[in-house]
Amino acid sequence: GQSLEQPSEVTAVEGAIVQINCTYQTSGFYGLSWYQQHDGGAPTFLSYNALDGLEETGRFSSFLSRSDSYGYLLLQELQMKDSASYFCAVRDTGGFKTIFGAGTRLFVKA
Amino acid sequence: ETGVTQTPRHLVMGMTNKKSLKCEQHLGHNAMYWYKQSAKKPLELMFVYSLEERVENNSVPSRFSPECPNSSHLFLHLHTLQPEDSALYLCASSQDIGQGSDEQFFGPGTRLTVL
Repeated sequence: GQSLEQPSEVTAVEGAIVQINCTYQTSGFYGLSWYQQHDGGAPTFLSYNALDGLEETGRFSSFLSRSDSYGYLLLQELQMKDSASYFCAVRDTGGFKTIFGAGTRLFVKA
Repeated sequence: ETGVTQTPRHLVMGMTNKKSLKCEQHLGHNAMYWYKQSAKKPLELMFVYSLEERVENNSVPSRFSPECPNSSHLFLHLHTLQPEDSALYLCASSQDIGQGSDEQFFGPGTRLTVL
């Protein structure tokens, strides 16, 4: 079957660095995306990796290893407003279907 | 209005009712999606439309019926739902499908409760 695995919860302190891992098992693979969703809000796009390596966007970075079917989202200089759920998502072969992980709830403490 | 809008934001319906969810995107995108989000479960893709044609129907029960009259509007018609269909229904759009980053823009969702 097709699945994405990510931790259900992560807790970190303000100013710290946190890494949220995602492993995937899908019948096809076009790329790995990350989305953020605050309570009561809509998911918002953070990043996309199609090739191996690290993509950096401000305080957030995303990494992909296609050979390991693994990626992670790195959040630096954590702020209270980063408390949210983070979802990894894989675009399946054909590009028509996006499969989401169950999400990682990040709690940032003062 | 900007981005992706959805109405209504909240809906309570009985199992014998018929209702419709509406989604409108103001981004000039060609692809639109319906997702179901239940507590503690991954976002589930329901339907994908590209240029008003359905390209993905993810084994969704027939009590959910999508309609895409043009590239800016997407509807989800509901009839004879079950209590387990209670969830947040999210609409999204993207520039195209099968190309580039597939960045999807989500609406705020409709919180559906089936009694």
